[in-house]
Amino acid sequence: TQLLEQSPQFLSIQEGENLTVYCNSSSVFSSLQWYRQEPGEGPVLLVTVVTGGEVKKLKRLTFQFGDARKDSSLHITAAQPGDTGLYLCAGDETSGSRLTFGEGTQLTVNP
Amino acid sequence: GAGVSQSPSNKVTEKGKDVELRCDPISGHTALYWYRQRLGQGLEFLIYFQGNSAPDKSGLPSDRFSAERTGESVSTLTIQRTQQEDSAVYLCASSLVARGTYEQYFGPGTRLTVT
Repeated sequence: TQLLEQSPQFLSIQEGENLTVYCNSSSVFSSLQWYRQEPGEGPVLLVTVVTGGEVKKLKRLTFQFGDARKDSSLHITAAQPGDTGLYLCAGDETSGSRLTFGEGTQLTVNP
Repeated sequence: GAGVSQSPSNKVTEKGKDVELRCDPISGHTALYWYRQRLGQGLEFLIYFQGNSAPDKSGLPSDRFSAERTGESVSTLTIQRTQQEDSAVYLCASSLVARGTYEQYFGPGTRLTVT
């Protein structure tokens, strides 16, 4: 089973600050997804990256897939309290149908 | 409704009892997944269905865990002789096809507490 390590595990910042969350593996993934989960709800897909080096932007969120497709990052610009939640990365194993999830980064944005 | 639904939303049971958790996927979604999420942690894959067959059961933690699916509809996850370490949120997801690159739509989960 391929493992995904996320860092930091916890992040508490003030509104307006920038932040980056990292997702790393020693294995190659055919694609990688980022989810956001709020308390009492299931995760919601934010983005899927497929190509090495790919960068996708979703409003104030920028997602990057590493050139070797082993790592990814999520950068949030000018964080807002509504960004608070658990951010999960999930890798698509190259030969299967399951997703391997990281442990998540719990982000708290204080007003 | 249009989304994935799960029932019950909360379940408290005594150690040693059996529990059944239910998942109603989005209509037309052929693939269905079960995950377990312990407090403050990521998702642990349990099993997935393509139609009513389960090509990958490798995530089931023990033979006390089983799951079945009726056609491309409802799925039930059964835990027999529950143990305290089974306490977690059990999440169900469905997708159009069984490929990791396809978006998985998650239900709100069932919070299981074993006392």
